[in-house]
Amino acid sequence: SQTIHQWPATLVQPVGSPLSLECTVEGTSNPNLYWYRQAAGRGLQLLFYSVGIGQISSEVPQNLSASRPQDRQFILSSKKLLLSDSGFYLCAWSSGSGNEQFFGPGTRLTVL
Amino acid sequence: KNEVEQSPQNLTAQEGEFITINCSYSVGISALHWLQQHPGGGIVSLFMLSSGKKKHGRLIATINIQEKHSSLHITASHPRDSAVYICAVTLTYNTDKLIFGTGTRLQVFP
Repeated sequence: SQTIHQWPATLVQPVGSPLSLECTVEGTSNPNLYWYRQAAGRGLQLLFYSVGIGQISSEVPQNLSASRPQDRQFILSSKKLLLSDSGFYLCAWSSGSGNEQFFGPGTRLTVL
Repeated sequence: KNEVEQSPQNLTAQEGEFITINCSYSVGISALHWLQQHPGGGIVSLFMLSSGKKKHGRLIATINIQEKHSSLHITASHPRDSAVYICAVTLTYNTDKLIFGTGTRLQVFP
């Protein structure tokens, strides 16, 4: 069966520090991968998605970036965090565009 | 105006009650999703539907494409159903993009 992992589970970082969040999927190959953010009191928002290694689509302009160095690995990064980057970050995968998406456990990021 | 609107925002119920959560959307969609988010934050996909009705246990989801409306029903509600229920739609022009409602917070009391 397929499983999706995210780490770390929680993170507290100072403003201006770098960020790296990792997501990995097991039990499937060539998944579509997604990064979402849920800010406090707001709905989920798609940040990036990837349909293959090295292929990244950005939905929202911001100081975040994403990379997919391996088939089942998706990384969310920032060079300098802002206060507004605080939120709950969720990774998800699907077997193809338009298919059901399955979510990871999430990373709660607090920028101070 | 949000492209996906849910109502009510908050809902309280007594155990055993029948619950309905509504979702309306204003964009062209290829599918609609109902998700459940528990207090720890984890999200579970409940339903993905593009027409008609689906049932899983005590949960029923319906969609009316012409009216751009969907409902999630919970029969014989239980305290363990307490969670945030989120409606999301897959856009027809980009089937990798989900647009989310802001969620309905449900609390079921014993």
